[in-house]
Order: sequence, then C-alpha cells, then structure tokens
Amino acid sequence: RKEVEQDPGPFNVPEGATVAFNCTYSNSASQSFFWYRQDCRKEPKLLMSVYSSGNEDGRFTAQLNRASQYISLLIRDSKLSDSATYLCVVNNVRGGSQGNLIFGKGTKLSVKP
Amino acid sequence: DGGITQSPKYLFRKEGQNVTLSCEQNLNHDAMYWYRQDPGQGLRLIYYSQIVNDFQKGDIAEGYSVSREKKESFPLTVTSAQKNPTAFYLCASSIRQLSNQPQHFGDGTRLSIL
Repeated sequence: RKEVEQDPGPFNVPEGATVAFNCTYSNSASQSFFWYRQDCRKEPKLLMSVYSSGNEDGRFTAQLNRASQYISLLIRDSKLSDSATYLCVVNNVRGGSQGNLIFGKGTKLSVKP
Repeated sequence: DGGITQSPKYLFRKEGQNVTLSCEQNLNHDAMYWYRQDPGQGLRLIYYSQIVNDFQKGDIAEGYSVSREKKESFPLTVTSAQKNPTAFYLCASSIRQLSNQPQHFGDGTRLSIL
C-alpha cells in the first residue's frame, strides 16, 4: 500500500456543485494531516490543516477518519477558481526523515461554467 | 513581504555541468527543505535542514548537494552525477522540523537539460 494515496481524477464538475476527495494513508501512527492546493506549474499552497475533530474554512471542510486511515476534503458551491490539483499531505513517522511530510500525487479538479 | 524566494525561475544545464539553485527565506524559519516534482508525480524530498550548519539526506539525495551556512539560505547544487535532472524544484521552510508544522513553498525553479 502506498504511503499516501489519492484518486488522480480529473473530477470535472459544474460551477456550484459540491465535490469531495478522499485520501488514504498507510501508517496508523501518522499524526499530522494537511491539504495543499497546487495550480498548474505553480508551487503548492497550504489550504488547511486537518484536525481530529474535523474543521471547516468557508466552503471547505476537512475530515479525518483514523479508524479507516483516510482524510477527506469537501468543497461546497464550487467556483471556477477552485480548479487546481489538491494534494493530501501526511507526516512521516518512519526512518531518518521523521517529522517530514509525505505528499500525495494529487487529485485534479476542474470546475466548468 | 515575508516569504521564500527561489531563483532562477528557469535554468538550463549542459551535460557535465553543476548548477546551483538559490533559496532564501525571511520568515525566520529554522527548517528548510528541497523537493523535486516530476510531471504527474508527488513531491519527493531531496535534502532538509533543521538548523544552520546541519542538513540531512532525504529520499532522493544522490546527485545533489546542499549547504546551510546561514539561516536564511539553503542553496541546492545539482551535480553532473544527477543523470535525470529535468524537473520542477521546490524549496520550502517551516518554523521547526516538527511533524505538525505545515511547510511553505517558494515558487520553484524549472530545470531542463540543454
């Protein structure tokens, strides 16, 4: 099982739709989780951290399910500007680079008018 | 403005040549990182540094070298030993090298072979 796994998509949705992405991680000892957004040919930017109790930031909601080892990102009322690749990020708890982050390959979202 | 600055934005390397990518941050962050991203792939960690004058190999350090002489600066050299250097290189920093700290990225350097 890959350390961090995401459906690459693309998810093609109309403006105003609600869309959800899941991400699974392999190490049950992982403690920190993030969602980043990456626009085409740009650097990743932190979208939100994911807390155990779940958290919301405007139209974005992140959830953590430790039992099933997945995190999710829900986007409500999609905007054209939400089109990007969403990276799931989990902390590394093994080996010499503990404390560093492991990045998923990303899920591509395309919001159409 | 506080942030991370990478330069150059585009870089071309001739065969057998070493090239150095610059990364500077004014966020007063202790930890700095270098990643490589290939098309359709996730970020892979090349090197990281928790503190000045200290750095550690990441998952794909072969063919690369770094230095950390100043807190603000973490340059990456792509040596001639790196046979497939074409990629998008991203520098990041975080307050400390702790797993609950998010990392913030510079806008990257695209390296290609001539």
